[in-house]
This record gives sequence, C-alpha cells and structure tokens, in this order.
Amino acid sequence: DSGVTQTPKHLITATGQRVTLRCSPRSGDLSVYWYQQSLDQGLQFLIQYYNGEERAKGNILERFSAQQFPDLHSELNLSSLELGDSALYFCASSAGRTGNYEQYFGPGTRLTVT
Amino acid sequence: QQPVQSPQAVILREGEDAVINCSSSKALYSVHWYRQKHGEAPVFLMILLKGGEQKGHEKISASFNEKKQQSSLYLTASQLSYSGTYFCGTEERTDSWGKLQFGAGTQVVVTP
Repeated sequence: DSGVTQTPKHLITATGQRVTLRCSPRSGDLSVYWYQQSLDQGLQFLIQYYNGEERAKGNILERFSAQQFPDLHSELNLSSLELGDSALYFCASSAGRTGNYEQYFGPGTRLTVT
Repeated sequence: QQPVQSPQAVILREGEDAVINCSSSKALYSVHWYRQKHGEAPVFLMILLKGGEQKGHEKISASFNEKKQQSSLYLTASQLSYSGTYFCGTEERTDSWGKLQFGAGTQVVVTP
C-alpha cells in the first residue's frame, strides 16, 4: 500500500459525459501528479500540482482539467468523453516538487467510455 | 520527449542477469525507475540524480551516464518476484522540473 488513495476504482460511462476522479496523496506529500496509461501509449504525464498550484503540464487535452485543494487532495475532471479516453488513470504523490523525489502511485481508476 | 527503452522484453530463468537501457536525446536532471506488475500500480525502484547521487532499492542497481543521457538498470541473480514491466522516467533539464517522461516499458519475465 503506497498510501495514495484514488476513487473510484472503476468508472463506466458513455461518450459525451463528464467524470471526476479523486486522489488523496500520502500524508505529508505536497506534490500530486496525474498520469494516463493506455495499452498503446504507456504512461503519459498529464499534470502536476505542488501545494495547490499547477507546477508542470504534459500533453493534457483541453477537455481535461485538474486542481489541488487546500487539504492537498486533487481531482481530475474529464469532459466530453470520447472512446479514446478509456484508460487507467493514476495519481502519484511525492514530498517535493522536483524529480529528486520518488513518486508513490495510487491504485488507479479504470475508466471505460462506451 | 519520451525516452527510448531497450529491450522491449526479456525472458530470464531464475538466477540469470539482465540489463535494461534507457536513453534520451535531451540533457537530463534525473532518471527514475519503476516496476509495474500486471493490474497493479507502478512501484518506485530507484532515482539517479545528476552528479551521481542515487536513492532506492538496495537489491537493484543502476547507472546514469549524464554525458550520454543514458541509464541502465541491472537485474542481478533474478528472482521470480522481478517479473513485471520496468519503466524509466526522465526529467529533462530544459523542461519543467518534476515532470517525468516515461519510456514505453520493458517487460521482464522470470521463469523457474
């Protein structure tokens, strides 16, 4: 158990819908990262927050948005869902804001868009 | 830019050794290694930092050649528990600090 929690574990929804994925980092970790993992793309970095502020951005679609709240939990919002958005979404946390710190991954949320 | 990992897959017998390579065309600040078992989350193995510092797993070793932007992970005397997909993640000098670009992964299968 990494100490990072993600809810829900599974999500099945239809195209065009909007969903919210939630992540609680390990106690004391200030950075939260979101990754998308699909079969043909590997682990893709989406976005990083550090202590409530956006720190780094990857190839995150405009239909996707995220935020980190004062209690440090984070939410990833996916809207106007398409079939290609079906993937495993991981949240990870680390103590610091740079790559000097190991990242601990949550169990993931499996999103299926039908 | 996504780093390139090689080989794509390797099959070992228990006790054999293997090397997984990770290379980037960009100057790097750090290289991370993670292992993911099927259906599970990636698990941290090691960080190699510019300047030679390493943090991580006691039984797994790795190297980082800063000049060549290459890292290698050494699986020595492999055990069944070493099976999984190994990912390297690279932090580029010119990119936002903390952002990791992951390679496509190397699948390792250790057989009895």
